Amino acid sequence: GEDVEQSLFLSVREGDSSVINCTYTDSSSTYLYWYKQEPGAGLQLLTYIFSNMDMKQDQRLTVLLNKKDKHLSLRIADTQTGDSAIYFCAEMRGSQGNLIFGKGTKLSVKP
Amino acid sequence: NAGVTQTPKFQVLKTGQSMTLQCAQDMNHEYMSWYRQDPGMGLRLIHYSVGAGITDQGEVPNGYNVSRSTTEDFPLRLLSAAPSQTSVYFCASSYGTAMFFGEGSRLTVL
Repeated sequence: GEDVEQSLFLSVREGDSSVINCTYTDSSSTYLYWYKQEPGAGLQLLTYIFSNMDMKQDQRLTVLLNKKDKHLSLRIADTQTGDSAIYFCAEMRGSQGNLIFGKGTKLSVKP
Repeated sequence: NAGVTQTPKFQVLKTGQSMTLQCAQDMNHEYMSWYRQDPGMGLRLIHYSVGAGITDQGEVPNGYNVSRSTTEDFPLRLLSAAPSQTSVYFCASSYGTAMFFGEGSRLTVL
């Protein structure tokens, strides 16, 4: 199938903002998601955005959606060492509710 | 609520052995699914179910069977394990927009 694309690595300094980017493929996707995975753990739902929205903010997290370019981003303000993890972008594809995931972006936060 | 519970957390099998990964959710979600996670591959959908008695194949279904006799349970069966099935398996459930994942089951096939 067609892929959801993410860059594999991102390194930032503590206190800076992090921006993780994602491109998806299905223009009919209804929802787009960001999940966080810490080492050895499951996936934690961070936030999601409905496809008719441009932006969603939740505390330190800001999601931007450019539907025309099929581009999704996650901005983490004031990044902390506890934000170090793998971040997965996913799109809901089809009517069944299946999620298609990107390969994940490993965020490293340096003190 | 316990959420999505997977057992076992770790398992080692020999090639050709069979086993079942258990998944249970207590949120009364209609949709459940199984993913496998491999290094550099992200998560790939194995099988999913939109309700009791209904299952369907995902992206990588070969070598796996599922059944959904109740809303709560969605077991994943490996009938004859192969080294290529060494992976971390995640079960998920959802109702509407939000999908919740279990903690994962790490399977090694020797």
